[in-house]
Amino acid sequence: GAVVSQHPSWVICKSGTSVKIECRSLDFQATTMFWYRQFPKQSLMLMATSNEGSKATYEQGVEKDKFLINHASLTLSTLTVTSAHPEDSSFYICSARSDRYTEAFFGQGTRLTVV
Amino acid sequence: DAKTTQPPSMDCAEGRAANLPCNHSTISGNEYVYWYRQIHSQGPQYIIHGLKNNETNEMASLIITEDRKSSTLILPHATLRDTAVYYCIVRSGGSSNTGKLIFGQGTTLQVKP
Repeated sequence: GAVVSQHPSWVICKSGTSVKIECRSLDFQATTMFWYRQFPKQSLMLMATSNEGSKATYEQGVEKDKFLINHASLTLSTLTVTSAHPEDSSFYICSARSDRYTEAFFGQGTRLTVV
Repeated sequence: DAKTTQPPSMDCAEGRAANLPCNHSTISGNEYVYWYRQIHSQGPQYIIHGLKNNETNEMASLIITEDRKSSTLILPHATLRDTAVYYCIVRSGGSSNTGKLIFGQGTTLQVKP
């Protein structure tokens, strides 16, 4: 299968600061990338869908001004959590797909802790 | 996309087959059944998918009933490393396929020695 890499794997930041998480497709071009959030003992919740070169589509209830998504190339999407608060602490996971595969592939996730 | 129902948890003895059921009674004709699993603190891992025929790969087998209203994921010889949450997801295919996956609560499989 294809490889999707996220960076960093974990990050601790202070309240009020912004944090950027990168998601890269290493061996394929991702026409679409997805960002999920997962709280402890819960399932993954889709936050947004991004297509290369266009604005992301956010799921209902997800603040687009707080969670900035950029998909500038076919191999890179970034999620920036702006003005982070402790309640933003979570496990953030990206996935990527291309027309070459029917399935989506996931990154290893980023554990964000806001203190 | 159709909703799926899975048991919240299951146990399996190491070396035995693990059979994980999934109900998707509202599945429509162009919707595929996908299985992913998530080992603790990692991203989900793709396992297998199918439309109506049974499928097998190096990881698992997928058995889909003739009416397509349910399916079973089979791990033929479960190991301790197969302990994970298993998600059954129904997703449309073809030109309407956005690739978006909506996760339910899944089944927590505990493989015991």
